[in-house]
Amino acid sequence: QQQVKQSPQSLIVQKGGISIINCAYENTAFDYFPWYQQFPGKGPALLIAIRPDVSEKKEGRFTISFNKSAKQFSLHIMDSQPGDSATYFCAARRSGYSTLTFGKGTMLLVSP
Amino acid sequence: DGGITQSPKYLFRKEGQNVTLSCEQNLNHDAMYWYRQDPGQGLRLIYYSQIVNDFQKGDIAEGYSVSREKKESFPLTVTSAQKNPTAFYLCASSSRTSGSQNEQFFGPGTRLTVL
Repeated sequence: QQQVKQSPQSLIVQKGGISIINCAYENTAFDYFPWYQQFPGKGPALLIAIRPDVSEKKEGRFTISFNKSAKQFSLHIMDSQPGDSATYFCAARRSGYSTLTFGKGTMLLVSP
Repeated sequence: DGGITQSPKYLFRKEGQNVTLSCEQNLNHDAMYWYRQDPGQGLRLIYYSQIVNDFQKGDIAEGYSVSREKKESFPLTVTSAQKNPTAFYLCASSSRTSGSQNEQFFGPGTRLTVL
């Protein structure tokens, strides 16, 4: 049973465009939603995270939008750059737990 | 330099052999985790440990074993019982006192290939 569903599986965006990756969850006990960025052959690194009491969080060109009633959250990358080409994972953590449940990932390619 | 080290970066083993992957952290984190990554499958939790001498099974623990004798170290053994061990293995750690975020920091990974 996949608890966090991520789409699309892959995405190609022109340089300067907006990249949008979506995630949906079922478990209402989730209380923390991070996004990780992973370059080939490397470990993932935390990009940005949000809690469900906030509808949007922005850090530089990266924005998380959170819709609690729809149980969905998304990552927006503004002014996408070739250096943003990587695999992005959404994740969710249950209240009171330390473990994360990950989506299956989105491979983003930003063309020059 | 604070961080998580995993060794080796690449590991080749013959089918039927046990193999141990190393994970060390100097972040003074209490919790440590092992994930397996396969193409298109995301990260799946194998085992995790919240404190020394204690660990719990994750979603795909069968065919794996761990130990946590020291706070800094959380080695993973891939046993011959693991049916499809070829994968990219990631170790992570987090602080139980880092506030609400409890960010997980990842190591660089070990790519295991079983021939």
